[in-house]
Amino acid sequence: ETGVTQSPTHLIKTRGQQVTLRCSSQSGHNTVSWYQQALGQGPQFIFQYYREEENGRGNFPPRFSGLQFPNYSSELNVNALELDDSALYLCASSLSGRASDTQYFGPGTRLTVL
Amino acid sequence: GEDVEQSLFLSVREGDSSVINCTYTDSSSTYLYWYKQEPGAGLQLLTYIFSNMDMKQDQRLTVLLNKKDKHLSLRIADTQTGDSAIYFCAGLGQGGKLIFGQGTELSVKP
Repeated sequence: ETGVTQSPTHLIKTRGQQVTLRCSSQSGHNTVSWYQQALGQGPQFIFQYYREEENGRGNFPPRFSGLQFPNYSSELNVNALELDDSALYLCASSLSGRASDTQYFGPGTRLTVL
Repeated sequence: GEDVEQSLFLSVREGDSSVINCTYTDSSSTYLYWYKQEPGAGLQLLTYIFSNMDMKQDQRLTVLLNKKDKHLSLRIADTQTGDSAIYFCAGLGQGGKLIFGQGTELSVKP
């Protein structure tokens, strides 16, 4: 059984650019959640996808968008990057769309915006 | 509103017990979690407790929940240098989102 994987591990972009981050969920899991972790802070919920549909969203602007594919892998897209978008982006997968399902995290993608 | 608070730092000697504390505001959280994060890594689930339980023990880890005071603690027995990391408390919020505290940095000295 493979765990949650994310790519790339590190990324450097400049302000105003767009970025796509990728996540493969743990085998058998159909729900993916994305979190942003700024330096020295706890993770903040961005959104969750269940069976290719957005299933909940945190307090992030529309320039943060996502997709989930039929194999349940997922992408996080961020447009018009700002300096404050520099953070560790974490993806978590869970077994089904039930809120009580445990979320298992990937290693994260470190995004630096210059 | 939803909020989770933790003390920022804890330093212990190897072999001692560590107790990491957390308070939360959302009394509707049905599950409460403890995650561990090592430098440059993602979050590793350590344990969780359902809100109708007072205590859960899992090897060296003991979780205590005081629902009246909305207080959660994680006790690590016989703390080792490999336990040095940041520990996050998280509550389950609306729609399956996890609400995290700021994290407690545990430093274990030999």
